[in-house]
Amino acid sequence: ETGVTQTPRHLVMGMTNKKSLKCEQHLGHNAMYWYKQSAKKPLELMFVYSLEERVENNSVPSRFSPECPNSSHLFLHLHTLQPEDSALYLCASSLLTGLGETQYFGPGTRLLVL
Amino acid sequence: EDQVTQSPEALRLQEGESSSLNCSYTVSGLRGLFWYRQDPGKGPEFLFTLYSAGEEKEKERLKATLTKKESFLHITAPKPEDSATYLCAVSGATNKLIFGTGTLLAVQP
Repeated sequence: ETGVTQTPRHLVMGMTNKKSLKCEQHLGHNAMYWYKQSAKKPLELMFVYSLEERVENNSVPSRFSPECPNSSHLFLHLHTLQPEDSALYLCASSLLTGLGETQYFGPGTRLLVL
Repeated sequence: EDQVTQSPEALRLQEGESSSLNCSYTVSGLRGLFWYRQDPGKGPEFLFTLYSAGEEKEKERLKATLTKKESFLHITAPKPEDSATYLCAVSGATNKLIFGTGTLLAVQP
């Protein structure tokens, strides 16, 4: 595996379900990110982790819960989601946070909440 | 407030017809301007990073330029495989990456 991988690629869940999205980066980076991409809207930053410590929580509802067990893995735990949470969820990584670091993205998880 | 505006929203070109995409930005303390390409159902693919006004970078048929207020992505003699959404983003003093809504490019054979 190379770059940034995400699983699953597609997910359909009911509003009462609990599911998790997984991201893994194979680039030796120290920072990882979760973004939400909705149609006709810019990418929205959700969470930032640097060296496994959360450094940014961009006013995201508590039904989204991130976890970063090590610098290569990032999870997004989902529970009691709403239909408006349906979107493409993207994971990204960079060598460091800030200082104009380039972020590299995974393929995304397409989430549909029924 | 940091902001990125991309134009046009959509662009249709004939194969071989060169054009430019625009990214206008306002940011406190520019640390980098980024161009990505995104194909349908996929994540953004990194193209270029520009750090200061006057900087230019090229890759195949693409050339990115930067001024203090905007960036252009020039596409020379495009091919159908260049069809995608092109995203622009800036990083400033907040260290956050602020994205525009993208330009959807369609290149017809």
